[in-house]
Amino acid sequence: GAVVSQHPSRVICKSGTSVKIECRSLDFQATTMFWYRQFPKQSLMLMATSNEGSKATYEQGVEKDKFLINHASLTLSTLTVTSAHPEDSSFYICSARTNTDTQYFGPGTRLTVL
Amino acid sequence: TQLLEQSPQFLSIQEGENLTVYCNSSSVFSSLQWYRQEPGEGPVLLVTVVTGGEVKKLKRLTFQFGDARKDSSLHITAAQPGDTGLYLCAGAKVGAGSYQLTFGKGTKLSVIP
Repeated sequence: GAVVSQHPSRVICKSGTSVKIECRSLDFQATTMFWYRQFPKQSLMLMATSNEGSKATYEQGVEKDKFLINHASLTLSTLTVTSAHPEDSSFYICSARTNTDTQYFGPGTRLTVL
Repeated sequence: TQLLEQSPQFLSIQEGENLTVYCNSSSVFSSLQWYRQEPGEGPVLLVTVVTGGEVKKLKRLTFQFGDARKDSSLHITAAQPGDTGLYLCAGAKVGAGSYQLTFGKGTKLSVIP
C-alpha cells in the first residue's frame, strides 16, 4: 500500500510556543490530505481538509488561526499548532487521499504541551 | 451528516474464537474501508470494498460489503492475540467535486491468550 510519513513522531513543548508537524506522501501524489485529532480510546476526529494550492477547509469548531495548515506541494502538508496550550495535547494524525479515493494514514504525532 | 454505526464498541474474546464486527448506515457509500490501529500508531488500511455484495478475504479476516452498499462486516476466524487492536470502518462518499470519509467509532478488540 501507499506510504505516508509524519514528523516528528513525538514532541514536547512549552505552553505558548508553536509546533509544526509535517505529513508526506512518499510514493504517490496527494491533492488532498487530511488532519485528524484522536483522544484516548476514541475514534478519529477530522480537523481539516488540506488541498494542494488552496486554503484548507476546517471542520466546525476547529480554529483556523490556531491550527495553521499549508499544503505547499502534492506530497507535503504541514500543520502548525500556534500558541500551544496543555489542552492541545493530543495525538495528531494525517492522511493522504489517493486517486482511487483511498486514504492512507501517517503514523501519528504525539504532542504534549507542558 | 452521515452516521456510520459500528458495533460492538468493545470485544474481549479468548484466542481461537470467532468474531464479527458490524458497520451500518442509512447512507449509500461509494466504497468502504477497514483499518486497524494499534496504540500510539496511525490506522493501517486492511481492505477497501467497492462493489455491493463484495467479499474480500485477508488470511483469517473476511470483509463483506452489503448489497446496497450501506453496511459492511468484518469476520475474524480463530482470533489470535496479534489481532488485538482498534478496528475502524470508514465509508467514502464521492461526488462531483466532493469527497467525504465518515468513520465509525471503532471496535476495540482484545484477544486473550
